[in-house]
Amino acid sequence: QSVLTQPPSVSAAPGQRVTISCSGSSSNIGNNYVSWYQRLPGAAPKLLIYDNNKRPSGIPDRFSGSKSGTSATLGITGLQTGDEAEYYCGTWDSSLSAWVFGGGTKLTVL
Amino acid sequence: QLQLQESGPGLVKPSETLSLTCTVSGGSINSRSHYWGWVRQSPEKGLEWIGIISYAGNTNYNVSLKSRVSMSVDPSKSQFSLRLSSVTAADTAVYYCARIPLTGQGYYFDYWGQGTLVTVSS
Repeated sequence: QSVLTQPPSVSAAPGQRVTISCSGSSSNIGNNYVSWYQRLPGAAPKLLIYDNNKRPSGIPDRFSGSKSGTSATLGITGLQTGDEAEYYCGTWDSSLSAWVFGGGTKLTVL
Repeated sequence: QLQLQESGPGLVKPSETLSLTCTVSGGSINSRSHYWGWVRQSPEKGLEWIGIISYAGNTNYNVSLKSRVSMSVDPSKSQFSLRLSSVTAADTAVYYCARIPLTGQGYYFDYWGQGTLVTVSS
């Protein structure tokens, strides 16, 4: 059972928009910055979003992040088949003194 | 382009010690602006943070693993290492090494290795 809660799966058609939620508590998301990672099949995780809503260079602006209270959201617009992957949120948990991740969300582009 | 590569045995016997090394290329491990860390992933536990180490050897471990974990860094070889003692089948996972920049407002992992599968079995 992960500390951060994500939906196990989401799906949408090519070109559409999808959001992935990440729910936590005041000891993690509520008082710390959130990052998001994409893991393509057979590949290493890749940083998509850091500090809640910043994109590293090279990450297209189709990917966005937001945070409100104890929840965070990853948004992906203009879905492409190449976006099919698992997506993970992560942040520091001040109570556990540990970095924690969500359980991951599998995105299917229909 | 920074690259990280994990190396080490893919099979470890129960009760023995798992040892992995991460080699950093395309960038310096001697940086006050970064930490280096380990994360593992298993079907049962998902992604689990193991710990981090600075180029100077300062560490921070996951308390759930603290009694069994140790990390070290060898700047001369551009490598950092993980040792996990008294392993059980529950330690079977894909182990990733990663970099943590200290330049943002929060902590995050910006570069990851490809990962290496370690199986604990007799």
